[in-house]
Amino acid sequence: KAGVTQTPRYLIKTRGQQVTLSCSPISGHRSVSWYQQTPGQGLQFLFEYFSETQRNKGNFPGRFSGRQFSNSRSEMNVSTLELGDSALYLCASKVRQGNAGELFFGEGSRLTVL
Amino acid sequence: SQKIEQNSEALNIQEGKTATLTCNYTNYSPAYLQWYRQDPGRGPVFLLLIRENEKEKRKERLKVTFDTTLKQSLFHITASQPADSATYLCALGYSSASKIIFGSGTRLSIRP
Repeated sequence: KAGVTQTPRYLIKTRGQQVTLSCSPISGHRSVSWYQQTPGQGLQFLFEYFSETQRNKGNFPGRFSGRQFSNSRSEMNVSTLELGDSALYLCASKVRQGNAGELFFGEGSRLTVL
Repeated sequence: SQKIEQNSEALNIQEGKTATLTCNYTNYSPAYLQWYRQDPGRGPVFLLLIRENEKEKRKERLKVTFDTTLKQSLFHITASQPADSATYLCALGYSSASKIIFGSGTRLSIRP
């Protein structure tokens, strides 16, 4: 069974631009979570989607947004990029929201903002 | 807000010894706690789950304990091997529907 797939793996943007990252969860998984990972802050929770609805949200500004499609694929968008947005963005899926099951992570999208 | 602390940024252990990693949290005890392994440039990989009503869980050379009085989880790797070198993350969930939040991780190095 294919794992969680994130695209693109690497990208470089400049300040003020926007970026869209994509995540395809494991087949049958309906919950998708996004995390930002930086050396200084570690893994920070962005948001979680289940059945096309945002169920949980972390403490990030409104420039960070996401959505989930009917096939459970998810996208996150960051607008008006800042240097501090440079990070590894990780997507994780699990079967459903209402359990304590393990998260399956993708390899991440590494964003560099110049 | 909840704060999660994992012991020292890096831990160096001699091969064959037991590595013990610590995860401490403040405020309310989580409903469950998970441990993940992350290799450089890769996403975290799930290792073990322990619930609030469980004291200990084992899986092969791995053991996790959960002490809600001390607000602490310990993660042990027995008979450590250089291949165990990685960053280990603890993660807390406060209900089945809540977000899972992560500690900053401990980088473990096993020297031959």
